[in-house]
Amino acid sequence: GESVGLHLPTLSVQEGDNSIINCAYSNSASDYFIWYKQESGKGPQFIIDIRSNMDKRQGQRVTVLLNKTVKHLSLQIAATQPGDSAVYFCAENTNPMDSSYKLIFGSGTRLLVRP
Amino acid sequence: DTGVSQNPRHKITKRGQNVTFRCDPISEHNRLYWYRQTLGQGPEFLTYFQNEAQLEKSRLLSDRFSAERPKGSFSTLEIQRTEQGDSAMYLCASSLNPGQTSSYEQYFGPGTRLTVT
Repeated sequence: GESVGLHLPTLSVQEGDNSIINCAYSNSASDYFIWYKQESGKGPQFIIDIRSNMDKRQGQRVTVLLNKTVKHLSLQIAATQPGDSAVYFCAENTNPMDSSYKLIFGSGTRLLVRP
Repeated sequence: DTGVSQNPRHKITKRGQNVTFRCDPISEHNRLYWYRQTLGQGPEFLTYFQNEAQLEKSRLLSDRFSAERPKGSFSTLEIQRTEQGDSAMYLCASSLNPGQTSSYEQYFGPGTRLTVT
């Protein structure tokens, strides 16, 4: 069925290092992917998105990579800071013909930044 | 504050009681979504509105749940005869109509955390 999953439930990194959070998706028809950051007690906050016609997109300190061949998505955070500590979710719009554009979320990866 | 707002932020209720949550989306957004999130999991889609029309409901939305968006602005989500299994964070998100923008980004509110005792 349609699902979005994550390889690592918890990732611990040293402050200043780069972080890579991975995500696998199962629906090859998905055409839109998005990464959200969620801090404790808050709603998800948009980080970056990517369409299926791209394989890389960069933002401020973040890069999303999309490998459609193996249905894999990753979020790279450069020079990780304590404020990056949060749970990160990838989500996909699984059916481009679905007019709802509802998002299907994975279960999340917790990023812990060590000082 | 021009973001999505939700009220109340927290609600504790006894099993069997009715509760109602409110969501105020970003003013120019005509799409409004409700999601439910349990601890350690990602949000799960419940329903969405295009203006005042409710266009889709998830199978997660039992008959005890009802959502409205009467004037195409704010929305309410009501749960009748609450059960302990309803305890979760209820998130609201809004977006422009995907036909109006190249991004499908949904902007989330802070959520309403429901605890049913």
